[in-house]
Amino acid sequence: SAVISQKPSRDICQRGTSLTIQCQVDSQVTMMFWYRQQPGQSLTLIATANQGSEATYESGFVIDKFPISRPNLTFSTLTVSNMSPEDSSIYLCSVERQGGETQYFGPGTRLLVL
Amino acid sequence: TQLLEQSPQFLSIQEGENLTVYCNSSSVFSSLQWYRQEPGEGPVLLVTVVTGGEVKKLKRLTFQFGDARKDSSLHITAAQPGDTGLYLCAGAGEAGKSTFGDGTTLTVKP
Repeated sequence: SAVISQKPSRDICQRGTSLTIQCQVDSQVTMMFWYRQQPGQSLTLIATANQGSEATYESGFVIDKFPISRPNLTFSTLTVSNMSPEDSSIYLCSVERQGGETQYFGPGTRLLVL
Repeated sequence: TQLLEQSPQFLSIQEGENLTVYCNSSSVFSSLQWYRQEPGEGPVLLVTVVTGGEVKKLKRLTFQFGDARKDSSLHITAAQPGDTGLYLCAGAGEAGKSTFGDGTTLTVKP
């Protein structure tokens, strides 16, 4: 398994501002992912955070809105830029384990944009 | 695009009852995971099934992977209030990415 922490755990932000979410893992991992989740609903993959190269974004998500950093194999950040109320959601980071078959998740960051 | 359909979407039962959650796809997955997520937490891995026809038991939870590796089920015996949560199935895909089902919200009333 993996121990994953996220900061902040929750935040309330004003529209037009940006928030950077941090994800720290207790061991080196190759694959890190960022997801968005509405309460009680399933997960939507935003992007794969690649170490040493640009993140790979899923359809509907762009780098200008969700810039991602991956400076090393244990840390990543996701920035939600120029926020609007529609960005209110839970943001989760995850890491891959067991040869790509299993993901382990952080506790999530609950974002409310007013 | 690989899709996973979960049913039912919502389930509310009394303590002590049994239940089954289904996860179906038209695609073949090399493995499938089941997660449980409680409010305010991230999803927590319950089990990974890899072999077609595989059955795994975790206390009162029984997981089955279909012979063709396209579907899976989660059966809970004698449900308890502590089983309340969002249950998610996920199929392992390419480049380490997973496809997640829509989720089943389970409420077990004391």
